[in-house]
Amino acid sequence: NAGVTQTPKFQVLKTGQSMTLQCAQDMNHEYMSWYRQDPGMGLRLIHYSVGAGITDQGEVPNGYNVSRSTTEDFPLRLLSAAPSQTSVYFCASRGAGFVYEQYFGPGTRLTVT
Amino acid sequence: DAKTTQPTSMDCAEGRAANLPCNHSTISGNEYVYWYRQIHSQGPQYIIHGLKNNETNEMASLIITEDRKSSTLILPHATLRDTAVYYCIVRANSGGSNYKLTFGKGTLLTVNP
Repeated sequence: NAGVTQTPKFQVLKTGQSMTLQCAQDMNHEYMSWYRQDPGMGLRLIHYSVGAGITDQGEVPNGYNVSRSTTEDFPLRLLSAAPSQTSVYFCASRGAGFVYEQYFGPGTRLTVT
Repeated sequence: DAKTTQPTSMDCAEGRAANLPCNHSTISGNEYVYWYRQIHSQGPQYIIHGLKNNETNEMASLIITEDRKSSTLILPHATLRDTAVYYCIVRANSGGSNYKLTFGKGTLLTVNP
């Protein structure tokens, strides 16, 4: 298994540009989520999904959209990038039930100028 | 979720045991203790979790005090590759959409040659 994969690894955007961060998992996990990590802030939940077609907001959803059309993929869209969205973004997944091992992707480092 | 307190940083000599403490004095009866770590520039990685009993896996051991108000993660023979930020997380396995892990600031463990 490849686990959780994320693309791209690095991205530089100008303010106002849009882009999609890709996340995919091959473990047939129901639950997927997006976090952002800023220096000194720990990881904060942006959006999550409990299955295909079902998404919900986390702690810091503003400026981000998500959709979940398949079990495998959970893309994160920035509609109009802002410098405040400069961060490292991590996608995670876990199986259903009481299992609590979350698997994280390698991260996407985004800079908005 | 119960609040956790960890030292900001610790040092350990290579080959020696690393003992990382975590205080969770407000833990509830149904809350588990989880440990994750994050090596620089990588996504967080699950290490171990436990409820009451001590646990051991191929990566580490988890010792939980009888009153469950504190725990210690033990890396029995630390290597340079164990240098990372270690996060102690407490939360209940209540099923359903348990999507969120609350990461505090963790402990930066530096393993020295």
